[in-house]
Amino acid sequence: GQQLNQSPQSMFIQEGEDVSMNCTSSSIFNTWLWYKQDPGEGPVLLIALYKAGELTSNGRLTAQFGITRKDSFLNISASIPSDVGIYFCAGRSGTASKLTFGTGTRLQVTL
Amino acid sequence: DGGITQSPKYLFRKEGQNVTLSCEQNLNHDAMYWYRQDPGQGLRLIYYSQIVNDFQKGDIAEGYSVSREKKESFPLTVTSAQKNPTAFYLCASSQGAAGANVLTFGAGSRLTVL
Repeated sequence: GQQLNQSPQSMFIQEGEDVSMNCTSSSIFNTWLWYKQDPGEGPVLLIALYKAGELTSNGRLTAQFGITRKDSFLNISASIPSDVGIYFCAGRSGTASKLTFGTGTRLQVTL
Repeated sequence: DGGITQSPKYLFRKEGQNVTLSCEQNLNHDAMYWYRQDPGQGLRLIYYSQIVNDFQKGDIAEGYSVSREKKESFPLTVTSAQKNPTAFYLCASSQGAAGANVLTFGAGSRLTVL
């Protein structure tokens, strides 16, 4: 099965810094989603994107649906310790009944 | 509160034994899914079900089996045929195939084979 490529694989940042991560695919998607997974828990939906070029914010998080429909970006501003976790992108193409998940970006925040 | 309950949270098994992981949801969602998560890897789909008494194989179904006798329940059995069963297993649900964009996940079950 296809998996999306996420980068970077991991990040170590200081509290207060901004964070950027992205997800790329060889296929066109018509939906992009971003999830966050806390240690030992299931992922939780952060942002959903449904249109090419769409830019959506959720608090300190901003995500964009790439114009080519083959990529998406997630930015976190002014990081705080509770931002620690694994961030997954996920995409859905056409009428597919299942999502394809990225490989994840592990974020560590130091004080 | 509505949600997905997975049990047990931690499970240890000897090689050659079958184990069943429970997943129950009270969200009235039509579709349910099982994913496997390994360190440094994304989520890989094992099985999914869009309706009661029907289910389809995902990308890594070999060595696993499921049933969907009730809308709210989707148990996963990890059989002895699964060569590398140690992993974190996540159950999810969504409001039907059309709503498969947004998955609600359970807290996961960690299986360790000794």
